[in-house]
Amino acid sequence: AAGVIQSPRHLIKEKRETATLKCYPIPRHDTVYWYQQGPGQDPQFLISFYEKMQSDKGSIPDRFSAQQFSDYHSELNMSSLELGDSALYFCASSPRRDLAGNTIYFGEGSWLTVV
Amino acid sequence: AQKITQTQPGMFVQEKEAVTLDCTYDTSDQSYGLFWYKQPSSGEMIFLIYQGSYDEQNATEGRYSLNFQKARKSTNLVISASQLGDSAMYFCAPRGRYNFNKFYFGSGTKLNVKP
Repeated sequence: AAGVIQSPRHLIKEKRETATLKCYPIPRHDTVYWYQQGPGQDPQFLISFYEKMQSDKGSIPDRFSAQQFSDYHSELNMSSLELGDSALYFCASSPRRDLAGNTIYFGEGSWLTVV
Repeated sequence: AQKITQTQPGMFVQEKEAVTLDCTYDTSDQSYGLFWYKQPSSGEMIFLIYQGSYDEQNATEGRYSLNFQKARKSTNLVISASQLGDSAMYFCAPRGRYNFNKFYFGSGTKLNVKP
């Protein structure tokens, strides 16, 4: 079965550079969530999208932006990178209306290291 | 933001014994789902089990079961016959039917299974 695809899996950037992470949700999933998990931290909700519109915003820095495209894939853009942005970035997808427990799946995450 | 509390930051359990992980939450939705995820040291977020707020029976999935106390807004994950591979972080997350775009995690419980 198709899963949530995140790319790249690993990324190394220098301070003040820009990074873009991509998320391809499971087919027919219209809701995408992004999370940031620093070393030893719990996942922090960044932002979510439903039907290509931003639907909720969490602790996303102003240096970050995200969008969901017509094919439902989503991209997280991070600019002016700081050392503290080094983290595991998760994307998850689900269909909106279905609350069945097997319908929120996570990608394997993208490891961002800022040096 | 929703408030999710996992009061046990770390727990130890002997292999083959059962362990209970606690989670309390605060949601304004009358209809919601409760999700538990496992995150091993490799980083991926693995869906374990789900409980719907109107499910009459407590959810079970293999060695995982939930003790759902709706009035207390509490859910306990019970892992029976612990295995060494169960050593991981465990997160709970509620998701409302109408606030489906909000999917936040608790701070997690780190479970260590001792041989």
